[in-house]
Amino acid sequence: GQSLEQPSEVTAVEGAIVQINCTYQTSGFYGLSWYQQHDGGAPTFLSYNALDGLEETGRFSSFLSRSDSYGYLLLQELQMKDSASYFCAGLYTGFQKLVFGTGTRLLVSP
Amino acid sequence: EADIYQTPRYLVIGTGKKITLECSQTMGHDKMYWYQQDPGMELHLIHYSYGVNSTEKGDLSSESTVSRIRTEHFPLTLESARPSHTSQYLCASSGRSEAFFGQGTRLTVV
Repeated sequence: GQSLEQPSEVTAVEGAIVQINCTYQTSGFYGLSWYQQHDGGAPTFLSYNALDGLEETGRFSSFLSRSDSYGYLLLQELQMKDSASYFCAGLYTGFQKLVFGTGTRLLVSP
Repeated sequence: EADIYQTPRYLVIGTGKKITLECSQTMGHDKMYWYQQDPGMELHLIHYSYGVNSTEKGDLSSESTVSRIRTEHFPLTLESARPSHTSQYLCASSGRSEAFFGQGTRLTVV
């Protein structure tokens, strides 16, 4: 099967920049998405990379390198409300199968 | 605003009972997914569908079944509930790259 690995926890202070990494298995891989999930809530979509390079959406940016089987989510100007779990998700098998990574818990302190 | 609904939100049921978790979406999405998630943990793909009468098992071994008779409806059935099935079940639908999630069903089997 497909698997995606992330660091379990990242800590940072308000106003800082943090990068959350994701490595994935390449067999059948089509693209990489990122989702945010607050405690008790459902995951919400942040970004999607189909091609290599950087995608920017406000304070969040996402990067994909197919040659390295690697991607990351970059969060700038961190706010307390950014404290949440972040998941990368790989789209596999003809855009049909969406597999989530192990998840990274981000803790933002004052 | 995402239009994907799950019922019930909470369910407590005895061991051995048959249960069906409902999921409906009004966005006309071909792809739908069921995930199992314990608090603070990753999302495990149980089943997915890429259209009417087209379903596949995910990577998590499960004693559940699904059906996709209509585009908008993707129910998950447990034939005989066990305490090990206690978890949150999340349904999602997707057009191409962005997945929208329901609010989840929190299942407790006693």
